[in-house]
Amino acid sequence: GAVVSQHPSWVICKSGTSVKIECRSLDFQATTMFWYRQFPKQSLMLMATSNEGSKATYEQGVEKDKFLINHASLTLSTLTVTSAHPEDSSFYICSASGTGLAGGPMDTQYFGPGTRLTVL
Amino acid sequence: GQNIDQPTEMTATEGAIVQINCTYQTSGFNGLFWYQQHAGEAPTFLSYNVLDGLEEKGRFSSFLSRSKGYSYLLLKELQMKDSASYLCAVRDGNYQLIWGAGTKLIIKP
Repeated sequence: GAVVSQHPSWVICKSGTSVKIECRSLDFQATTMFWYRQFPKQSLMLMATSNEGSKATYEQGVEKDKFLINHASLTLSTLTVTSAHPEDSSFYICSASGTGLAGGPMDTQYFGPGTRLTVL
Repeated sequence: GQNIDQPTEMTATEGAIVQINCTYQTSGFNGLFWYQQHAGEAPTFLSYNVLDGLEEKGRFSSFLSRSKGYSYLLLKELQMKDSASYLCAVRDGNYQLIWGAGTKLIIKP
């Protein structure tokens, strides 16, 4: 149980284009989803938290117009990096927490495999 | 401010035991998590402590002392596949998860 998938696993795009990353909870209902980015050899940096059906809450310093988050259903959240630039190149990871999960306490975050974004 | 401290890097020998410490100062406390992250991969959940004491799960154990703001992850019978970063994360009084920078564990044969 508690499987989270992400797609794509890696993407290379040109500067100025937009990239959409999908995060799905495969065997549970994700009431909350989280988006992180991680630079090499650094810790996870939380970008935003989203609850199904409501607007995402962005962390300080994260541009909500640049990183569009949609959490339209209990199993799917998307992150769109708009007008990507080379400095947006990073490892983007989603996680989900929800109901009906065994193995951890309520609100344990289960992570997707991550998406490596390279902007040329 | 809120802070979580872990050693940056540790080295241990295959078959041995290693203890990774984590100290924290947070506004409130609602549990502490340990995650494992292999290079280039996402973290995977290892353990959770909310009450003082030791939680054992196979080769891995996690300990918590709330009065000392301290936890450790104990790994026994180390295997090469245990080479990874180990992340300590604390859920604060607002149920926000505060992440440590992680401890890179290197296992040598």
